[in-house]
Parts: sequence; C-alpha cells; structure tokens
Amino acid sequence: DQQVKQNSPSLSVQEGRISILNCDYTNSMFDYFLWYKKYPAEGPTFLISISSIKDKNEDGRFTVFLNKSAKHLSLHIVPSQPGDSAVYFCAASAPGGADGLTFGKGTHLIIQP
Amino acid sequence: EAEVAQSPRYKITEKSQAVAFWCDPISGHATLYWYRQILGQGPELLVQFQDESVVDDSQLPKDRFSAERLKGVDSTLKIQPAELGDSAMYLCASSGSAAKQSTDTQYFGPGTRLTVL
Repeated sequence: DQQVKQNSPSLSVQEGRISILNCDYTNSMFDYFLWYKKYPAEGPTFLISISSIKDKNEDGRFTVFLNKSAKHLSLHIVPSQPGDSAVYFCAASAPGGADGLTFGKGTHLIIQP
Repeated sequence: EAEVAQSPRYKITEKSQAVAFWCDPISGHATLYWYRQILGQGPELLVQFQDESVVDDSQLPKDRFSAERLKGVDSTLKIQPAELGDSAMYLCASSGSAAKQSTDTQYFGPGTRLTVL
C-alpha cells in the first residue's frame, strides 16, 4: 500500500509558465516532507523541504505548500525553465527518522520551449 | 561542495555471481542509508546505519544481501548470489544528524546501476 502517491506520471509545461506537481500521503505520522529532482543515471538531488508545522516554504523559484488536513503537498516552480525537465520525487519521513524516507513514484516534468 | 561518493557507477554481472557496492558519505554525516530504485518507481529503503550500527534493515533481503559500515564512515552493500530481479539503481544517502531527527535532509550519491544477466 503506497503511503506517498504522485498520481501524475508526467506533466508538460511551457517554458516561463508555472509548473505544479502534486503529492498525497496517507500516513498521518509523517512530519517532514521533501522534494527531490532526478536526472537519468544520476542520484536524486534535494530541492526543498517543509516541516509539518508550516504550510509553506519558499526557495527562489521553488515553493512547497502543505495542506495537513487534506494530506496533500504541492511543489510550484515559477517560472519554469528548460533545465527543470527531470523526474520529481516527493518523499516523507516520520518522527525519529527511522525507516528512512518514503518516496512516491515520481512525476516526469517536461518543459517545452 | 561535499558529496556522497559511490562506486562503481555501473555494474553488469551474471546471475548467481557476487557483487559489491561502495559508498562514502558526506564527511561528518553519522547516518547512512542504502536505497534500491527499480525503473519507474521511487527509491525504497534497504538499510539504515547510525554510525556503525544498523538502525533498520527490515526491508533488506537478508538471505542474499548484506551491508556493513565497520568504522562508521564508508559502507559496502553486497549481493550474493545476484538474481535477475536485482537489476536496479542502488543509491546511497547520508544525513548529518547525530540523533534520529526526521527534519534531517538526506543527500544522495550518483548511484550504482546494476544489470544482472
């Protein structure tokens, strides 16, 4: 049973527009959420994170929103750039850090010129 | 910039052979993780170390997989014998907390792509 779900396998966005990637989770014990970006044949690169005590965290072009009541988070990228084309993984962890990170299956973001 | 190092980057082996992967975490990071990523899926935790001790290996297939971090720094993941279904990307990550804190960010290495023929 997947505890972290990314229901969109792929997303195509025009360069300069906003990209919105969504993630849902089922485990109410999760208290820390992260987004990673991954290029083919490379390891995931950390992008941005958010603690469950917050509802928004911003870092440059990247903003993550957390809706705890809906168990939903989203990553906004604005403006989208060609180099943003990659697979984006949502991940979550529970208090104590045991069990590592639980990942979604990823969303392949394609930025079109 | 400090990075997690992994080697080899690619490994091709025949089934029933033994393979080993090596990971050197970011200097000073006490926690080290091994993940396996199958194509089209997200990474899944295999084993977690805190210093030289195993914290969680509940998802490690212990009949064929072993992992060690003898001096609490670098780590080796071994598969013996390899099976066709082991073909995947093996990722190592580290984090800087000396105690279990879920707010710690994990930083990943480039991974080892294993192909079992």
